Amino acid sequence: KQEVTQIPAALSVPEGENLVLNCSFTDSAIYNLQWFRQDPGKGLTSLLLIQSSQREQTSGRLNASLDKSSGRSTLYIAASQPGDSATYLCAVNLYGQNFVFGPGTRLSVLP
Amino acid sequence: GAGVSQTPSNKVTEKGKYVELRCDPISGHTALYWYRQSLGQGPEFLIYFQGTGAADDSGLPNDRFFAVRPEGSVSTLKIQRTERGDSAVYLCASSIRGEWDEQFFGPGTRLTVL
Repeated sequence: KQEVTQIPAALSVPEGENLVLNCSFTDSAIYNLQWFRQDPGKGLTSLLLIQSSQREQTSGRLNASLDKSSGRSTLYIAASQPGDSATYLCAVNLYGQNFVFGPGTRLSVLP
Repeated sequence: GAGVSQTPSNKVTEKGKYVELRCDPISGHTALYWYRQSLGQGPEFLIYFQGTGAADDSGLPNDRFFAVRPEGSVSTLKIQRTERGDSAVYLCASSIRGEWDEQFFGPGTRLTVL
């Protein structure tokens, strides 16, 4: 059974710092991996989708990488801003199955 | 519509009652998913529709939970004889074709069973 973990569980950084969020999964036979952000009391907002054949995806200040062989993905946030404060979730999709989510990393960016 | 919508946004019910939660996916999306999220955890998969049929319902916790999508668009999640443990946020998502595509989520329905 696919298990997804995220480290750290919570992170607090001053504004302007670059930061890395980690996602690990146990079964490397994934179809794709998606990163989301979730604001308190809200639904999930899609950030980046990485297909299994890709190594990374970029959107603005965000860069996500994927290393299937080691079962890891990282989300890099450059020049963090207070508006980036949210919970960040990764989800992996096994072939023929559906997304399995990690527990999330709660990020606070302090002004 | 512009995004996935869910109604109601909040639902409070008493133990033993029946509830229905509605999801309107993005127009043209053939795939629709239901998830359940408890406080401090990631969403947990419940059921996946491809068109009108349930392609995977392996996540439904028991036979009190049932979902339909009769015309391949709007879906309703139905919970019978609700229990306090059913309290959670129920999230709906849709994607253009299937599980290989990007999923777009609605705002969720917060269900509280007293």
